[in-house]
Amino acid sequence: AAGVIQSPRHLIKEKRETATLKCYPIPRHDTVYWYQQGPGQDPQFLISFYEKMQSDKGSIPDRFSAQQFSDYHSELNMSSLELGDSALYFCASSPGRVNEKLFFGSGTQLSVL
Amino acid sequence: SQQGEEDPQALSIQEGENATMNCSYKTSINNLQWYRQNSGRGLVHLILIRSNEREKHSGRLRVTLDTSKKSSSLLITASRAADTASYFCATDDDYKLSFGAGTTVTVRA
Repeated sequence: AAGVIQSPRHLIKEKRETATLKCYPIPRHDTVYWYQQGPGQDPQFLISFYEKMQSDKGSIPDRFSAQQFSDYHSELNMSSLELGDSALYFCASSPGRVNEKLFFGSGTQLSVL
Repeated sequence: SQQGEEDPQALSIQEGENATMNCSYKTSINNLQWYRQNSGRGLVHLILIRSNEREKHSGRLRVTLDTSKKSSSLLITASRAADTASYFCATDDDYKLSFGAGTTVTVRA
């Protein structure tokens, strides 16, 4: 069965650079969520999209932006990277906005040097 | 964490033993879910319990929910080495999930 695809798997950036993370949800899933997980921490909600519109917004810095495209894939754009942005970034998808089961990708490990 | 704490933070048990972990949350919920995460990997949904349910089973997993105490427990019976992972509870929070702090379980062979 198809799963949530995230790319790249690993990303190394310098401070003040930009990064773009991509997420391809499971086919026919119209809701995408982005989470950030620091080392030893619980996943923190960043932002979500339903039917290509922003659905909910969490603790996402103004330096970050995201969107969901017509094919339902989503991109998280991160600018002016800081050391504290180093984390695992997960994308998850679900059919609809029902919050009953999220399917997570394998994540993108971002290291900011 | 927006939804409170998990207890204990870490648990080490022998293969074959049971593992119990607890989760507390702060707001009213429609459902509570448990997820497993292997080191550095994505989270995998294990089980969902609705606010009007008190107990649910799935294979070797047993989940309880006490809405009056705003708490839930996850029991893994007859643990295996492959159960070594971090376990997170998550509650529905508007149109997203809020995760607890997680319990790291190590099953020794």
